[in-house]
Amino acid sequence: RKEVEQDPGPFNVPEGATVAFNCTYSNSASQSFFWYRQDCRKEPKLLMSVYSSGNEDGRFTAQLNRASQYISLLIRDSKLSDSATYLCVVIYYSGNTGKLIFGQGTTLQVKP
Amino acid sequence: DAGVTQSPTHLIKTRGQQVTLRCSPKSGHDTVSWYQQALGQGPQFIFQYYEEEERQRGNFPDRFSGHQFPNYSSELNVNALLLGDSALYLCASSLEQGRGTEAFFGQGTRLTVV
Repeated sequence: RKEVEQDPGPFNVPEGATVAFNCTYSNSASQSFFWYRQDCRKEPKLLMSVYSSGNEDGRFTAQLNRASQYISLLIRDSKLSDSATYLCVVIYYSGNTGKLIFGQGTTLQVKP
Repeated sequence: DAGVTQSPTHLIKTRGQQVTLRCSPKSGHDTVSWYQQALGQGPQFIFQYYEEEERQRGNFPDRFSGHQFPNYSSELNVNALLLGDSALYLCASSLEQGRGTEAFFGQGTRLTVV
């Protein structure tokens, strides 16, 4: 079983749609959670952190459920510019070191 | 402020050869992590360097080795290249071994093994 698993893509949605991505992680000792965005042939960039209380940044809402080891990302009113691959990221700490573990990514294509 | 820079951007090598990839972290960062990203997959953790030592390692063979220099820059070396080593290699820099701080990625080195 992979340490971090995401919904298989691709997601093809019309502009203005609401889309949700899910992610599960296997190690209950995980301590930090993020969503990164990766555009085609580019490097990943931090989209937002994920907290147990949930957090919102404009059209984006991230949620963490530690009991179910589940992370979600909701995008409202999708824009063409939201088309990208969204990577669920978990940080595992071993002693003093933290390493980012990525899910395989979910591709979103927003159509006009 | 220069972000994370990697070189070269593209590289073609023959099976069995050796390759060295380079990374300069974001100014002020002291930790460098390397990732391998195959087509259609998320980045896979190779290893992390802090204070010139390998601190954590992912599930990669000993053919993959690295180094960190006193100025925090880093190299990734891969020996005896296999066709399956073809991928985008990403370097990420962060502070203090990545404890809760944002990691910034370089644009990557695209390695093709033929």
